[in-house]
Amino acid sequence: EAGVAQSPRYKIIEKRQSVAFWCNPISGHATLYWYQQILGQGPKLLIQFQNNGVVDDSQLPKDRFSAERLKGVDSTLKIQPAKLEDSAVYLCASSLEQLSTEAFFGQGTRLTVV
Amino acid sequence: GQQVMQIPQYQHVQEGEDFTTYCNSSTTLSNIQWYKQRPGGHPVFLIQLVKSGEVKKQKRLTFQFGEAKKNSSLHITATQTTDVGTYFCAGPGYNQGGKLIFGQGTELSVKP
Repeated sequence: EAGVAQSPRYKIIEKRQSVAFWCNPISGHATLYWYQQILGQGPKLLIQFQNNGVVDDSQLPKDRFSAERLKGVDSTLKIQPAKLEDSAVYLCASSLEQLSTEAFFGQGTRLTVV
Repeated sequence: GQQVMQIPQYQHVQEGEDFTTYCNSSTTLSNIQWYKQRPGGHPVFLIQLVKSGEVKKQKRLTFQFGEAKKNSSLHITATQTTDVGTYFCAGPGYNQGGKLIFGQGTELSVKP
C-alpha cells in the first residue's frame, strides 16, 4: 500500500515570496490533515478536511495561508506571502475515518524562509 | 479550545532504565493515540486506546487511558537505544469535530 506522498521535500524561499505544498493521501482515506511542526514542538493542526469539506481551520492564518482539497483526494497548502516564522516542517496526514482511526503521515516538506 | 499537554518535555535515561511520559487533555477524549517520531523523521502511529481505564501492552511499552478519558501514560520498561525519539499523544475530543490535536511531545534520549 502506497503511503502519503508529499512534495517538495525541501524548499527555501525569501520572505514575502509565495510557496505551495502538495499532498496525495492514501487511497480511500476520507480525512486529510495539514500540520505545521516547528523544530522542537509538536505538530500543530492547521486544517482538517473530511472528503473535500473543511472540518476545522481555526488555527490556519487565513490572511496568508490557504488550502484546498481537490475532489476529496489531493490537497495543496499555499503560503502567500511567507514570513520568517513560517519556517517549519509541513506535514500532511490522512486517515480512513475522522474519529476512530490512526493517522498516516507523509515525509513532510521542510520550508526555510530567509 | 482543546489543549493536550505532555510532561516531561525531555527525559534522559541510561539504557536499561524505565521511562514514563504523561499526557493530559483539557477536554474529554473520544480516544487517545500515541505516536513516535525519530530524529529527522515523521510521526509514526504506535497505538490507540478507546475505552475508559484501558491498558494495552506492546512488548516493553505499556499504554494506559485514564478513567475520565482525559489523561494517558506511556511507560517503557528497560529502555534501549532504539527507543530514542519523541513520543506524542494525540486525541480527538468529544464535540471538537474530530480534530486530532497533538501534545508537545516528550523527547527521550538513551545513553548506552
